[in-house]
Amino acid sequence: QITLKESGPTLVKPTQTLTLTCTFSGFSLSTSGVGVGWIRQPPGKALEWLALIYWDDDKRYSPSLKSRLTITKDTSKNQVVLTMTNMDPVDTATYYCAHSTLTVGATILDYWGQGTLVTVSS
Amino acid sequence: SYVLTQPPSVSVAPGQTARITCGGNNIGSKSVHWYQQKPGQAPVLVVYDDSDRPSGIPERFSGSNSGNTATLTISRVEAGDEADYYCQVWDSSSDHLFVFGTGTKVTVL
Repeated sequence: QITLKESGPTLVKPTQTLTLTCTFSGFSLSTSGVGVGWIRQPPGKALEWLALIYWDDDKRYSPSLKSRLTITKDTSKNQVVLTMTNMDPVDTATYYCAHSTLTVGATILDYWGQGTLVTVSS
Repeated sequence: SYVLTQPPSVSVAPGQTARITCGGNNIGSKSVHWYQQKPGQAPVLVVYDDSDRPSGIPERFSGSNSGNTATLTISRVEAGDEADYYCQVWDSSSDHLFVFGTGTKVTVL
């Protein structure tokens, strides 16, 4: 049974750096084809993909946020960490991590964490 | 970057069929996935690779994809199907790997 859970601060100040941790179980991030991604959703708005890290440590970022994001993994701890620098109130959102796997046609996000709401305010 | 357009809302009576469209340039050449999100909950994958269903997803959920439009069809709609639905493509040809649609609110009358 695959589960993921996000953790981190619920409130950050503008210009601060946000660090979120995704702790997972039920799979290994050293298994070929597996990845973990981060997605966010501002209140009342649509989903937005942020970053993805693959089993082989290949890392991909949303082009619009690439300069502010870093994704890393600790396979031994079953964790993936996302950092986002220079936080702004527009970054207020629920942040989700999700398990990804390869299918015939693409990479899919087939298991999601419950999400964590991060508010950016002074 | 690639844009996916969905109608903001769809209303359907119980027992009827709901169809949610997802428009994108030549979307028929890409694999489309659909997520259901109920209020206060995380998204759940309901269809992947245009028309496949993960285990545990009812057969009432089906998908198709051709030309410039992908469609999620929910047959015999139930009250529990009321949710937001998002389409998504994996655009391996660009740096923006995961593109989500604008979302559609399905209301069961």
